[in-house]
Amino acid sequence: AQTVTQSQPEMSVQEAETVTLSCTYDTSESDYYLFWYKQPPSRQMILVIRQEAYKQQNATENRFSVNFQKAAKSFSLKISDSQLGDAAMYFCAYRSSAYSGAGSYQLTFGKGTKLSVIP
Amino acid sequence: SAVISQKPSRDICQRGTSLTIQCQVDSQVTMMFWYRQQPGQSLTLIATANQGSEATYESGFVIDKFPISRPNLTFSTLTVSNMSPEDSSIYLCSVVGARSTDTQYFGPGTRLTVL
Repeated sequence: AQTVTQSQPEMSVQEAETVTLSCTYDTSESDYYLFWYKQPPSRQMILVIRQEAYKQQNATENRFSVNFQKAAKSFSLKISDSQLGDAAMYFCAYRSSAYSGAGSYQLTFGKGTKLSVIP
Repeated sequence: SAVISQKPSRDICQRGTSLTIQCQVDSQVTMMFWYRQQPGQSLTLIATANQGSEATYESGFVIDKFPISRPNLTFSTLTVSNMSPEDSSIYLCSVVGARSTDTQYFGPGTRLTVL
């Protein structure tokens, strides 16, 4: 079974600075998807960024980018020019790409990292 | 991405009662799921809501406690039955769209408090 580990329960960053959130995972599969979701106090789960394992290029979305190290099974999220609105819980998630019915869509989540942004 | 709404957004219930949560999507979607997020915890998948058939439950979740319906491709309900304080959680609906089958999008969640 796949596992996702976020080793930083809490992080803080100064506004306008850069912060990196860590995520490691364990899988025996070669093809899969990785996601970062953001959950602000409103509790809405918002997709931040996704990465397909077969792509070597790291995904980027505006101020958000990932450092995907497939051999090391590492998937960190970098937030540049941090803003007050970035304060939230961040969850790393894994999904198999192998189609095997409904279970193949199942997301495995890490325990989350609470990010605080200091004005 | 699909627009997903949930009703109610929050509720406070007495133990022993049941609550039905609705999830509505603005477009037809391939898959619908229900998750539970206990206080301060990550998300745990309860079940996959199958259109026109019984839901597929994950280990530790049973139909008698969490009956689920999905009458069509845009709507599903989750009932939390015979509630106890341990059921106090956020319940989230998520979908995999017809166009993009590799990403799950989540509804706004329902915050349930059981007294």
